[in-house]
Amino acid sequence: EVQLVESGGGLVQPGGSLRLSCAASGFTFSSYWMHWVRQAPGQGLVWVSRINSDGSRGTYADSVKGRFTISRDNAKNTLYLQMSSLRAVDTAVYFCVRDYDGAFDVWGQGTMVTVSS
Amino acid sequence: DFVMTQSPDSLTVSLGERATINCKSSQSVFYSSNNKNYLAWYQQKPGQPPKLLISWASTRESGVPDRFSGSGSGADFTLTISSLQAEDVAVYYCQQYYTTPFTFGQGTKLEIK
Repeated sequence: EVQLVESGGGLVQPGGSLRLSCAASGFTFSSYWMHWVRQAPGQGLVWVSRINSDGSRGTYADSVKGRFTISRDNAKNTLYLQMSSLRAVDTAVYFCVRDYDGAFDVWGQGTMVTVSS
Repeated sequence: DFVMTQSPDSLTVSLGERATINCKSSQSVFYSSNNKNYLAWYQQKPGQPPKLLISWASTRESGVPDRFSGSGSGADFTLTISSLQAEDVAVYYCQQYYTTPFTFGQGTKLEIK
């Protein structure tokens, strides 16, 4: 079964850091580009970042550029999102998503990040 | 950035009736070199992650009931549910994947009358 399982969310103070992980299984992880998408409570979907299949290139939304870093370890079938200088507006469920020909075909259940003092 | 605007924001339809959701992009998402529209539709039920229903504006994903269909080209698109079922209650999002930043519509909440 194709599966993505996020972890690492939690409560963090403004200005703090957090690293999210996404464990992939059931498919050849190293062959796929991957994304992070977030959803603030009661709000819509917002794309955060993308990484290519070999991990050499990350792309970011302007709202997180310079604060978030996407990476992957293909040997461990794991995607990461390192988040720093966190703000209250970063509070959201963060989804790990597989890219299939551009569309987002597999989604994890998400991990909640709350930025609050 | 490409702005995706859906209409209506919410929709109430009787069981068995047709539901239509529109999505308009601020710029064309049609790529002439491969004749494809970089437009997807997702369904999100409460407490669940989104589910890909349709890619390339009109290609239904495997396992998606054939009552769901997508149409349109360029900057104007439509998701149609031909005969609404109770399990179709959800929020529906369109998304362009033509270029980064990938952007979603604001969502359309579909309810049963």
